[in-house]
Amino acid sequence: EADIYQTPRYLVIGTGKKITLECSQTMGHDKMYWYQQDPGMELHLIHYSYGVNSTEKGDLSSESTVSRIRTEHFPLTLESARPSHTSQYLCASSEMVSRGGETQYFGPGTRLLVL
Amino acid sequence: KNQVEQSPQSLIILEGKNCTLQCNYTVSPFSNLRWYKQDTGRGPVSLTIMTFSENTKSNGRYTATLDADTKQSSLHITASQLSDSASYICVVTDRGSTLGRLYFGRGTQLTVWP
Repeated sequence: EADIYQTPRYLVIGTGKKITLECSQTMGHDKMYWYQQDPGMELHLIHYSYGVNSTEKGDLSSESTVSRIRTEHFPLTLESARPSHTSQYLCASSEMVSRGGETQYFGPGTRLLVL
Repeated sequence: KNQVEQSPQSLIILEGKNCTLQCNYTVSPFSNLRWYKQDTGRGPVSLTIMTFSENTKSNGRYTATLDADTKQSSLHITASQLSDSASYICVVTDRGSTLGRLYFGRGTQLTVWP
């Protein structure tokens, strides 16, 4: 069982609110990721980080921002939530495995509903 | 365009039966292929990982196969249990970038009935 945590697990908020989704891992992994997943659809990478003070945008355009001040912490922030942001947000961290590249460990996800 | 296609989209089987899920990909250059299990409302959990030189990898009742020539993989579940009900996601990594970019399939939704 991977030690990666996300809070809150569920969040219902009104349009225009600022929210921060928390993600923490205790495995000392340098690489961390945020994915967005709609029901029955594939995961889409929205942000990633190679380490402290390193953040990059992923494939899917997102109005969210991230920060990486500490290795174990990778929060995602929406300055002004909209109904189109309703989705599940998954955080992951990864470690190198011999001959096989990386293995990603996922958190339990945050289900966000914006009214 | 790099893609990962999974079939069937959904599958219902009776407890105790076997089933096979398919994954076809066009990702190149290929690095590795993983199968994940995602329970409803949870994050994906890795089941198997295979590199180019590996044809078969087992994890308990789960057996994954890889044919790198035809770019196909399958996940076979033996003697299914109710707890196997989940979405099974095929993920392919390329080795053409520093990130080792991951390409996700949409998953096969498996339901096991008693």
